[in-house]
Amino acid sequence: KQEVTQIPAALSVPEGENLVLNCSFTDSAIYNLQWFRQDPGKGLTSLLLIQSSQREQTSGRLNASLDKSSGRSTLYIAASQPGDSATYLCAVASGGSYIPTFGRGTSLIVHP
Amino acid sequence: DTEVTQTPKHLVMGMTNKKSLKCEQHMGHRAMYWYKQKAKKPPELMFVYSYEKLSINESVPSRFSPECPNSSLLNLHLHALQPEDSALYLCASSQEGREGEKLFFGSGTQLSVL
Repeated sequence: KQEVTQIPAALSVPEGENLVLNCSFTDSAIYNLQWFRQDPGKGLTSLLLIQSSQREQTSGRLNASLDKSSGRSTLYIAASQPGDSATYLCAVASGGSYIPTFGRGTSLIVHP
Repeated sequence: DTEVTQTPKHLVMGMTNKKSLKCEQHMGHRAMYWYKQKAKKPPELMFVYSYEKLSINESVPSRFSPECPNSSLLNLHLHALQPEDSALYLCASSQEGREGEKLFFGSGTQLSVL
């Protein structure tokens, strides 16, 4: 059974910092890995999707990498802004099921 | 149009009420999902419809009844809920319900059961 862990659980940084959020998974036979952002009481917004055959994806200030052999993905946020404050979730689809397994998320606060 | 639209955004209901949550997408997706999310927890899968047929039911109590009238619409009928059912209910869709697909989520319905 796939297990997805996100570290740290919470992070507070000053504006302008570059930061890295981590996602690890136990079963490396994945189909894809998707990073989401969630604001309090709201739905999930897809940030980046990395297919199994890919190593990274970039969108604006966001870069996500995937290392299947070590069971890890990182989400890099450059020049963080207060508007980046949210919970970031990673979801991994694997093991004969297209239904992703979610991590518990990293709660990020970027203060001015 | 890359949106999944959920209504209502907020719902308060008593334990004897009957209500319905609605979800709509016009991306031509053939797989639609209901998730339940409690505060500070990840989303938990409830149901999956694929090509308008129920393909996954994660042992959800019968007081939750899903319905997929057509390929664009997904409903969740609620009856005799308990206070512990209070949560954010999220709808999602994907192309066909196959490996490697991107999930698109709605903004959710915040449900409070009194």
